[in-house]
Order: sequence, then structure tokens, then C-alpha cells
Amino acid sequence: DGGITQSPKYLFRKEGQNVTLSCEQNLNHDAMYWYRQDPGQGLRLIYYSQIVNDFQKGDIAEGYSVSREKKESFPLTVTSAQKNPTAFYLCASTRQGSTGANVLTFGAGSRLTVL
Amino acid sequence: QKEVEQDPGPLSVPEGAIVSLNCTYSNSAFQYFMWYRQYSRKGPELLMYTYSSGNKEDGRFTAQVDKSSKYISLFIRDSQPSDSATYLCAGGRGSNYKLTFGKGTLLTVNP
Repeated sequence: DGGITQSPKYLFRKEGQNVTLSCEQNLNHDAMYWYRQDPGQGLRLIYYSQIVNDFQKGDIAEGYSVSREKKESFPLTVTSAQKNPTAFYLCASTRQGSTGANVLTFGAGSRLTVL
Repeated sequence: QKEVEQDPGPLSVPEGAIVSLNCTYSNSAFQYFMWYRQYSRKGPELLMYTYSSGNKEDGRFTAQVDKSSKYISLFIRDSQPSDSATYLCAGGRGSNYKLTFGKGTLLTVNP
């Protein structure tokens, strides 16, 4: 079945460490996204990429970095510069709907906890 | 003012009740609206989306859009405990623009 695979599901990090969250999709989608979700905050966009080797900052990109070397993969690195990294991270990709809507498909998420 | 406003709840109803979930938006450029359902510790999944004003029905779910008042709603008929989740509304325009999400409403349906 096609879908988005995020790993790891749970991750613990010590302060000062960088961590990388994996996101792989086999939907043949062109665009991929990373969102952060905190209680009461909804979904906030970190980075997105519409094509390979190109990506744009979202609303809260500081302290994060991404790469898009392959169409299927869009890893997110949470750097030590991110002041409050404990959150639920969601990866998504999009297909163009039959009427042009930007329909997102989400992965199951990765929960990062800083110790 | 946020582009999409959504009452976070929580909302608690008995099984079988009709549930009304609502959002307002301020961006007149939005062309379509979506509802996502998110179970605890899972990723959101698309319930339905609609382009125009009016109603769109899918089983027990009805999405309603009123562009004149910038108001969108999701109705759930004969609600079930399995409907207990967070419901996210979103607005968008075109296929290359970012979706704008509301903060989500936590719904609990009690058996």
C-alpha cells in the first residue's frame, strides 16, 4: 500500500544534540512538508519542498534543516539551535486533486522529547 | 486575526448525537476547504473537502461552506465513540499554496 513512513515513532534527545527524523513516501508525490504540532497550537509549517533539490522555509524554520535529494525522501534535522524541540512532528506530501486542491497525506508522526 | 479560527473545545456528546464543528476564516482568497480527522498520537487523515458554498455529504458526515459569512462547518450524524478525535479544518487556494489549518477541536463521543 502507498503511504508515508516516518521514523522513529518516538525519540529522546539530550539537550545540545542534533537529531534527524526520517520521512519516506511511495506515493509518487512531488511536494513534501514538515509540520510541528503542539497542544493547543494546531499544525505549524516548518519546511516544504515542491521539487527535488529545492525547499522553502515555512512559518517556524529556525532551528531546523532539511534536504530533498530524492523525490521519495525529505528528512528533517532538529538542531541544537531549536530552543523548544519537544513536540509531535508530522510529515506530509501532496497530490493535486481532480479540481486542483492541495490535498495533504500525512504520516503517522514522530514524537520527540528532549530530556 | 488568524486566517482560520477554530474553537478548540473540548466537545463531549453522547453517542447518537448530532455534532456540529465550526470554523471561521478571514482570507477571501481561499478556494477550497478541508476537514481532517486526527486520532490520538496519529497523523491527520482527510475526511472531505469542498470547493464551493453549499453542502457536501459523505455518509454520516456533511461539510458546509458559507463563503458570504466565511463560515465552514462539519456535521456528524449518529455520532459514534469511534468518532472521538481531533477535527482540523483548513483553507487553501490552488495546488501550489500552503494549506492554512485551524487549531483543531477535540471531540469525545461517550457510549
